[in-house]
Amino acid sequence: KAGVTQTPRYLIKTRGQQVTLSCSPISGHRSVSWYQQTPGQGLQFLFEYFSETQRNKGNFPGRFSGRQFSNSRSEMNVSTLELGDSALYLCASSLGQGNYEQFFGPGTRLTVL
Amino acid sequence: LAKTTQPISMDSYEGQEVNITCSHNNIATNDYITWYQQFPSQGPRFIIQGYKTKVTNEVASLFIPADRKSSTLSLPRVSLSDTAVYYCLVGGYDTDKLIFGTGTRLQVFP
Repeated sequence: KAGVTQTPRYLIKTRGQQVTLSCSPISGHRSVSWYQQTPGQGLQFLFEYFSETQRNKGNFPGRFSGRQFSNSRSEMNVSTLELGDSALYLCASSLGQGNYEQFFGPGTRLTVL
Repeated sequence: LAKTTQPISMDSYEGQEVNITCSHNNIATNDYITWYQQFPSQGPRFIIQGYKTKVTNEVASLFIPADRKSSTLSLPRVSLSDTAVYYCLVGGYDTDKLIFGTGTRLQVFP
């Protein structure tokens, strides 16, 4: 079956702009988690959605938000972009919440100029 | 949340067995131990998961002592393609915010 897909794969934005990233989970998976990965901070948890509800949120400012649709697809939005938001944004889907096997997508590489 | 501690890096040669140990002193009763592998510019990939004793699959073994305060990922006969970062996670099926630590960067030399 198809894996987790993320669009777009690469994105270049300028400071102050906003961006929306999309994630399509594996069919049947109801949990979608988002992570930010940078060389300095490593892999950091952003938030998790399960059945259209945000279950958990990491320590990121309110500029980072997300949502999940009834088909489990998820989007994350970053408003008022800052240079420090440049990162690889990874989406992972799993059957359930918590420590189920997570399947990661290829990520979206965001560059903020 | 159970905090994990791993070595920052390890070196090995092709054909050798590699053992990466993770410490998780405050693991909870319903927590499982999971290992992921990540190559540059790719998302992490699940390797193995276990609760206690020993688990083995086609790519690795996971050893967990009786007190469960640590675990060891064993990679038999590594190859150059095993060069990657390996993460240890601890949590239950109702755990919030799974935390990926700094991971262990494994470098395999020919």
